[in-house]
Amino acid sequence: EPEVTQTPSHQVTQMGQEVILRCVPISNHLYFYWYRQILGQKVEFLVSFYNNEISEKSEIFDDQFSVERPDGSNFTLKIRSTKLEDSAMYFCASRKDSPSTDTQYFGPGTRLTVL
Amino acid sequence: AQSVAQPEDQVNVAEGNPLTVKCTYSVSGNPYLFWYVQYPNRGLQFLLKYITGDNLVKGSYGFEAEFNKSQTSFHLKKPSALVSDSALYFCAVSHDSGYSTLTFGKGTMLLVSP
Repeated sequence: EPEVTQTPSHQVTQMGQEVILRCVPISNHLYFYWYRQILGQKVEFLVSFYNNEISEKSEIFDDQFSVERPDGSNFTLKIRSTKLEDSAMYFCASRKDSPSTDTQYFGPGTRLTVL
Repeated sequence: AQSVAQPEDQVNVAEGNPLTVKCTYSVSGNPYLFWYVQYPNRGLQFLLKYITGDNLVKGSYGFEAEFNKSQTSFHLKKPSALVSDSALYFCAVSHDSGYSTLTFGKGTMLLVSP
């Protein structure tokens, strides 16, 4: 069964450094998402991406964040200058198509630790 | 704005007994409701969803959920719990417009004792 994959599984970085989190969505999916889960808290939406552009973003997704689909398979989340409060589990998700009833499938996550 | 409430931080049940994990929601428009499960150090696994039709939906691993529009609830149930069901369960909602971003509840830890 196809799965969403994410790399790395764990990323440790120093405050102020740039990080790129990578995701490979399911191959025939068209809608892509990033969510994050701070330890002990709920999963929060960051951004959605469709047709090579951001379709929706939350208040969390400020100018320090960006997303990109550099080729036909990868979907990346970049944090330009990490802060301590960016420490969280970051989940990528993908969805096949319209309608909006379709299910989002999540990757295993990348645990980001900012020191 | 949409929101999800999971009133219980933890649910304890003995193996073989029925379990219920509660979820209520608030959304404008028609709700689309989902349950996901998260095992330790793992991602979110889809269990089941309600879009339309029969209020009782069946999903993976013997789980089912009942949509109740008047009570705005979508409780997760299983007739007979297994120790392996112990995990963190998230209820989520989206709606019939926009790009279907999911809003999650805070999660309920289910502990099934032998």
